[in-house]
Amino acid sequence: DAKTTQPPSMDCAEGRAANLPCNHSTISGNEYVYWYRQIHSQGPQYIIHGLKNNETNEMASLIITEDRKSSTLILPHATLRDTAVYYCIVIPYSGGGADGLTFGKGTHLIIQP
Amino acid sequence: GAVVSQHPSRVICKSGTSVKIECRSLDFQATTMFWYRQFPKQSLMLMATSNEGSKATYEQGVEKDKFLINHASLTLSTLTVTSAHPEDSSFYICSALNSDRNYEQYFGPGTRLTVT
Repeated sequence: DAKTTQPPSMDCAEGRAANLPCNHSTISGNEYVYWYRQIHSQGPQYIIHGLKNNETNEMASLIITEDRKSSTLILPHATLRDTAVYYCIVIPYSGGGADGLTFGKGTHLIIQP
Repeated sequence: GAVVSQHPSRVICKSGTSVKIECRSLDFQATTMFWYRQFPKQSLMLMATSNEGSKATYEQGVEKDKFLINHASLTLSTLTVTSAHPEDSSFYICSALNSDRNYEQYFGPGTRLTVT
């Protein structure tokens, strides 16, 4: 898997948009950008993924730069329950997650009341 | 949909005993499941890939005789930690591949193992 770089931690005020950056400058043409999050003492939760177009679902939006070397996960209206470690992972599209995932250190997002 | 469960959620055992952890896909069939381990303040580390009806494949450094994996059905994989030691205390998490949803991985809630 291509390596990703994320800031170790970020703070965001409740109700504001949380923008989490991820660098994946060595990404290959067939690799997707996936985002997961892990709330303390729980299993990871899938958030969103994309190839090159921006994506949006009920949880978040994913903005991928044109050169695909970086992306930003946006939580539009952060709540206290969004406090978690967010992982950005690049996965070769052999059917999505057909291999075990390599988790980096992620970003610890702390939502402040 | 795409729910994965684990049992037990927490277990405490004595050194030298064995512990079995179950991972179930509740509403889909999973020919492939994965087992991860997470130590405090660290990220998840892939331990092994569990394939239904065949032997598991282990990541480098993971002892296959210590961490026994059985994937006897399309909805159940088990991880048995044999002769557990305090250093095996960790958070064990499984995931299952859902072929009906582009092979997305869905994670279980994890099992906290404490070996005394």
